[in-house]
Amino acid sequence: AQKVTQAQTEISVVEKEDVTLDCVYETRDTTYYLFWYKQPPSGELVFLIRRNSFDEQNEISGRYSWNFQKSTSSFNFTITASQVVDSAVYFCALSERGTNAGKSTFGDGTTLTVKP
Amino acid sequence: ETGVTQTPRHLVMGMTNKKSLKCEQHLGHNAMYWYKQSAKKPLELMFVYSLEERVENNSVPSRFSPECPNSSHLFLHLHTLQPEDSALYLCASSQEVGAPFPNYEQYFGPGTRLTVT
Repeated sequence: AQKVTQAQTEISVVEKEDVTLDCVYETRDTTYYLFWYKQPPSGELVFLIRRNSFDEQNEISGRYSWNFQKSTSSFNFTITASQVVDSAVYFCALSERGTNAGKSTFGDGTTLTVKP
Repeated sequence: ETGVTQTPRHLVMGMTNKKSLKCEQHLGHNAMYWYKQSAKKPLELMFVYSLEERVENNSVPSRFSPECPNSSHLFLHLHTLQPEDSALYLCASSQEVGAPFPNYEQYFGPGTRLTVT
């Protein structure tokens, strides 16, 4: 069974600090996909990144970076020089290739508050 | 309109009412989803449709009835709901779903905030 754990329920930082959101996953499949989504106060989840299990390269997009490590089953997300607009709930999700319905399992989310 | 839209944004209904939630995607996707997001609970997948065919029904009570007349529209018909059904209902779409396709990312609508009194 697939499972996603986001151990940090809430994180609070001051603007310009760096912050890392942790995501640990469990799966028996050898082919799987990991995602990060952002849910601002407006409600809709916004897709940030997808990574497949064969691509362990870290990725950087502006102030965002992702560290995928299969050895520790982790897919952590770092925001550099955080801004107030980064305040949101962030979800990590996992989909297994073998699941016919493309069912994504979401973590419980981490609420990030960036204070000015 | 662009992306995924949902109407209404807010809905208050009594336990004996019948109402419907509407979702429309303007992305040309073939798969659509309904999720329930309750306070302090993880996202719960309710239904998945692929090319208007239901491919997943996650043990959802029969008082929730989905309808997908075409790949751009998705409805959730509600009747005789319970107070515990109060939640944010999110609709999403993706390019495809299921094997042998890779798992595409999902695009979400803003949700319908449902309150059952």
